[in-house]
Amino acid sequence: DAGVTQSPTHLIKTRGQQVTLRCSPKSGHDTVSWYQQALGQGPQFIFQYYEEEERQRGNFPDRFSGHQFPNYSSELNVNALLLGDSALYLCASSLDGTRTDTQYFGPGTRLTVL
Amino acid sequence: GDSVTQMEGPVTLSEEAFLTINCTYTATGYPSLFWYVQYPGEGLQLLLKATKADDKGSNKGFEATYRKETTSFHLEKGSVQVSDSAVYFCANQAGTALIFGKGTTLSVSS
Repeated sequence: DAGVTQSPTHLIKTRGQQVTLRCSPKSGHDTVSWYQQALGQGPQFIFQYYEEEERQRGNFPDRFSGHQFPNYSSELNVNALLLGDSALYLCASSLDGTRTDTQYFGPGTRLTVL
Repeated sequence: GDSVTQMEGPVTLSEEAFLTINCTYTATGYPSLFWYVQYPGEGLQLLLKATKADDKGSNKGFEATYRKETTSFHLEKGSVQVSDSAVYFCANQAGTALIFGKGTTLSVSS
């Protein structure tokens, strides 16, 4: 059973560019969440998608947007990249995103903004 | 708002030593509590969880008990191994989002 997969593994962009990161959830999961992990910090919640709709959003600007497809896979888009967007971006999937549900994480995409 | 505070690291131990990593939380409502582990260059792996007060989560020799009265979820292991060297994150989930602490780096030497 494949776990959560993310692509690409690493990405280098320059300031002002746009980037798209991709995530496939664990089999049987229909909820996808995205987190940003800066170096030496804990992950911070960006947003969660359920049934192709954004269900909850963290404290991130509108430059961060997402999408969920009918097969439950998801994309994270970041526009007008800033140096501070350099981080590990983690995708997590879960059954229903409720309080007791467990989120399973992918290996992450390391984004470097120059 | 919801938050998690965990002890600052790094924690350096010898093999077979006892481990405690402290974690306290603030949350509206009744959160579920988690410990995740991150090995170098990897994503997060669930270590254990507890969903209500007095529940004990356990896995691979690690244990943590959900203490509502002290709003704590301290991680313990009786005898650490070199392979336990990693970063440990405490997290709470009162709604749909996980709120993480800053992480505690554990280094175990033989």
